[in-house]
Amino acid sequence: GDSVTQMEGPVTLSEEAFLTINCTYTATGYPSLFWYVQYPGEGLQLLLKATKADDKGSNKGFEATYRKETTSFHLEKGSVQVSDSAVYFCALSSLNTGNQFYFGTGTSLTVIP
Amino acid sequence: GAGVSQSPSNKVTEKGKDVELRCDPISGHTALYWYRQSLGQGLEFLIYFQGNSAPDKSGLPSDRFSAERTGGSVSTLTIQRTQQEDSAVYLCASSLGPSGGGAYEQYFGPGTRLTVT
Repeated sequence: GDSVTQMEGPVTLSEEAFLTINCTYTATGYPSLFWYVQYPGEGLQLLLKATKADDKGSNKGFEATYRKETTSFHLEKGSVQVSDSAVYFCALSSLNTGNQFYFGTGTSLTVIP
Repeated sequence: GAGVSQSPSNKVTEKGKDVELRCDPISGHTALYWYRQSLGQGLEFLIYFQGNSAPDKSGLPSDRFSAERTGGSVSTLTIQRTQQEDSAVYLCASSLGPSGGGAYEQYFGPGTRLTVT
């Protein structure tokens, strides 16, 4: 069945460091791919998405490119800030699996000044 | 406008008791989802409502779990005869329409942390 595997955490970075959180997926159809973020004490919120191969989602300085050939959707940011400290979840959804979303286990990021 | 709200925020119950978890979606959102987040696990899909009907109940882990939605709005997730493995954070999300394939964004509530002792 469809699934998402993402990089284990926790990840600790210094401010202004480069961030990559790896995400790979398995899907029978043509999924849409998402990154959700959960800031401390808040609910999950959509960070960015890509709905077809080679699309790039971007928001708040974060980017992720939908790579069909490597079945990946890695999250990147060139210069992280303390305010980026959160848990990041990769997810997929396919129309051929109804309206189910499949989430990864989450990667906790802590950015230190 | 108000976001998705869930109650209670925390619930501690004894093994074998029944619990009810409530979700108030964003007004006008026709689709509603329940997820479970266990320690060290990702979000596990439980059930999806479109309006008051649940076309997809495939994620409910056992027949002890049930959910209903009334008036196209509030939803209740009921767990009967709770077990320790039911301890988790239960999340609710709503969207304007079915979110499959990313058609509509899901908006998440803050969750209910259930602890079964």
